[in-house]
Amino acid sequence: KAGVTQTPRYLIKTRGQQVTLSCSPISGHRSVSWYQQTPGQGLQFLFEYFSETQRNKGNFPGRFSGRQFSNSRSEMNVSTLELGDSALYLCASSLEVRPDTQYFGPGTRLTVL
Amino acid sequence: AQKVTQAQTEISVVEKEDVTLDCVYETRDTTYYLFWYKQPPSGELVFLIRRNSFDEQNEISGRYSWNFQKSTSSFNFTITASQVVDSAVYFCALSERIDYQLIWGAGTKLIIKP
Repeated sequence: KAGVTQTPRYLIKTRGQQVTLSCSPISGHRSVSWYQQTPGQGLQFLFEYFSETQRNKGNFPGRFSGRQFSNSRSEMNVSTLELGDSALYLCASSLEVRPDTQYFGPGTRLTVL
Repeated sequence: AQKVTQAQTEISVVEKEDVTLDCVYETRDTTYYLFWYKQPPSGELVFLIRRNSFDEQNEISGRYSWNFQKSTSSFNFTITASQVVDSAVYFCALSERIDYQLIWGAGTKLIIKP
């Protein structure tokens, strides 16, 4: 079975731009979660989606948004990028909602200049 | 107070040595889950193990073993006969019944020297 895939793997943007990251979960998995990882803050939860509905949201500003499609694929969007948004964005999928085990993708490394 | 503490920021050992990564957690829940993930330089978090609070049996998987002790709120991870490919950052995480969100430790960077 193919693992979680994320595109693109690397992205360079400038302040003020917006970005969309994509995540395809493991086949059959219905839950997708997003995390931001930075050296200073570690792993921080962004949101969790299940059956196209956002179930949980972390403590991030409204510039961070996401959605899930009927095929369970998910996208997250960051608008008006700031330098502090530079991070590794990880997507994880699970069969069902928490506490089901989450399996992670390779991440998208976003650099904001 | 941190709910998941990985006190060892970085550990460096020579190949073939045994190494133990510590994880201490804090929770008032009686139902919770503990996880270990490995993050190699490529960045992907690789799931290693999940343990629920009612199962205190130690687990062994090849060179990997886990020691879960509720009395000391610890869930330690031991690699026997370490190999260079074990070099990575290892994260311990807690999932509590209140919302089952993963609460992450800061991670331990493990360096295995040839």
